[in-house]
Amino acid sequence: DGGITQSPKYLFRKEGQNVTLSCEQNLNHDAMYWYRQDPGQGLRLIYYSQIVNDFQKGDIAEGYSVSREKKESFPLTVTSAQKNPTAFYLCASSTFSTNEKLFFGSGTQLSVL
Amino acid sequence: DQQVKQNSPSLSVQEGRISILNCDYTNSMFDYFLWYKKYPAEGPTFLISISSIKDKNEDGRFTVFLNKSAKHLSLHIVPSQPGDSAVYFCAASAQQGGSEKLVFGKGTKLTVNP
Repeated sequence: DGGITQSPKYLFRKEGQNVTLSCEQNLNHDAMYWYRQDPGQGLRLIYYSQIVNDFQKGDIAEGYSVSREKKESFPLTVTSAQKNPTAFYLCASSTFSTNEKLFFGSGTQLSVL
Repeated sequence: DQQVKQNSPSLSVQEGRISILNCDYTNSMFDYFLWYKKYPAEGPTFLISISSIKDKNEDGRFTVFLNKSAKHLSLHIVPSQPGDSAVYFCAASAQQGGSEKLVFGKGTKLTVNP
């Protein structure tokens, strides 16, 4: 079955630690995205990538970094510079066209120890 | 400044009745609107969309209505079922934008009581 796989489901970060969230898709989609969801809030865009080896900052990129070395993979690193990392992180993908709907993974809940 | 507003954080309806979820937007450039449904600890799934050239789009029990002059859209679920209990996000974008330009509302939590 085609889809988006995020891992791990739950992740804990210690102070000063960088952590990486995995996102893999087998939908052959060109574009991939990372969103953050906080309780009672909408989804906010962190980073997106429309093509391999290229990515763009979203609305809240500070404290995060990404890479896109393969079409299927778009890992997100939450760095120690992100002072409020506790949130639900969602990865999504779409074909590279206007108004194409997003397909989401099942999310990673990141908490700070 | 919120460009997409879902002013009701929660809604509770009886099974079999109609659920109406509302969404308002402020950006007149928005011309494509989507609804996503999200269960706890899962990713959102696409439900239904509408382009600004239409004022209604229907898919089974789900209908979205768009009132461009009022910058308002609504999602109707008829009849509501307990499995519809979830958080519903409204999202909007402008035609010239890609999916990265989607702006999401804060969501409305729907509870359908048996």
